[in-house]
Amino acid sequence: GEQVEQLPSSLIVQEGASVLINCSYTDSASVYFPWYKQEPGKRLQFIIDIRSNMERKQTQRLTLLFDKKTKHLSLHITATQPGDSAIYFCSASMETNYNVLYFGSGTKLTVEP
Amino acid sequence: NAGVIQTPRHKVTGKGQEATLWCEPISGHSAVFWYRQTIVQGLEFLTYFRNQAPIDDSGMPKERFSAQMPNQSHSTLKIQSTQPQDSAVYLCASSLPDRGYAEQFFGPGTRLTVL
Repeated sequence: GEQVEQLPSSLIVQEGASVLINCSYTDSASVYFPWYKQEPGKRLQFIIDIRSNMERKQTQRLTLLFDKKTKHLSLHITATQPGDSAIYFCSASMETNYNVLYFGSGTKLTVEP
Repeated sequence: NAGVIQTPRHKVTGKGQEATLWCEPISGHSAVFWYRQTIVQGLEFLTYFRNQAPIDDSGMPKERFSAQMPNQSHSTLKIQSTQPQDSAVYLCASSLPDRGYAEQFFGPGTRLTVL
């Protein structure tokens, strides 16, 4: 089955810094890549997604880059705030069953004021 | 809108007992998903339903685990003869009527502890 890996597993930054979270997957049949975040004590929440026919997607302070050749994604968060502190999860799904999400192990981001 | 509702929020069972977890999807959502979250294994897909029909249970352990969706307003995940390794947070999610790639809305989870 699909294997999704995320790096780093955790990072700590000062408020205002930019961060980069990397994600890689193994199965070339994966076509859809939603990202979710989980704030302490709160539910998993969708934040951004990208499909395999795109290279880049941006929403507010989030930019998601996708490289189909290398099977790699990266999430860039700019101007971080303490409220961005959460665990960020990359996921992948396949065209044959795009509702089934395979999640990475998560990246714990801590933004210090 | 309360979102996806899961009950109970916490459940403690003894080894060998049965546990039933409940999920109420967001009204109007036709797809319901179950996931399991542990520190070691992370977030694992278990099973999902669309319009109450089971679509994919490829993540379900072959023994002791079963899921049902008897009506559009709730789904259950049943674990028979619970074992300590079943201890996890079980997450339910739902998504809008099937029109392509759809955001999944997650519930708060049920934390199952098997002693």
